Amino acid sequence: DQQVKQNSPSLSVQEGRISILNCDYTNSMFDYFLWYKKYPAEGPTFLISISSIKDKNEDGRFTVFLNKSAKHLSLHIVPSQPGDSAVYFCAASFTGNQFYFGTGTSLTVIP
Amino acid sequence: DAGVTQSPTHLIKTRGQQVTLRCSPKSGHDTVSWYQQALGQGPQFIFQYYEEEERQRGNFPDRFSGHQFPNYSSELNVNALLLGDSALYLCASSFGAYGGSYGYTFGSGTRLTVV
Repeated sequence: DQQVKQNSPSLSVQEGRISILNCDYTNSMFDYFLWYKKYPAEGPTFLISISSIKDKNEDGRFTVFLNKSAKHLSLHIVPSQPGDSAVYFCAASFTGNQFYFGTGTSLTVIP
Repeated sequence: DAGVTQSPTHLIKTRGQQVTLRCSPKSGHDTVSWYQQALGQGPQFIFQYYEEEERQRGNFPDRFSGHQFPNYSSELNVNALLLGDSALYLCASSFGAYGGSYGYTFGSGTRLTVV
């Protein structure tokens, strides 16, 4: 059973515009969420996190929004740059030990 | 500062064989987690090691076992390999379970192919 879902396998955005990546989860007990970025032939790289006590966390061009009532998480990248082209995974945890990952969204930023 | 190091990078094994994958965590990290990433899927949690003990385990059979050494490095062993075990195996290290605000640091993975 997939507890974390990324329903868009791919997304294309023009350079300079906003990229919005979405993630839905089913387990209301999740209390910590992360976004990872993955380039080909590399391991995932931590991008940004948010705990369930917040609804927004910002780090430079990256902002994560959490809507607990909708069980929905989104990552906004503004402005998008060609170097942001990668696969983005969202992950959620409620134990502190085990993270459940989505299937990833491949972002392409077009110059 | 070296990140997480995994070896080997690629491996081909025959069905029924056994395999050992190795991981050296990032300097300063004491916890190692192993994930399996099948093609087109997100990483799936196998287990986590802390203080040389398995702290938590995902939904994987006993054919998957691990070990953590006093220097925090870790091994993942898979016995009686099946074709379905073909995947990218990721090692992630952290200081503590969550890794704090910075999450895990992942290695580049070992690509295992079972033929």
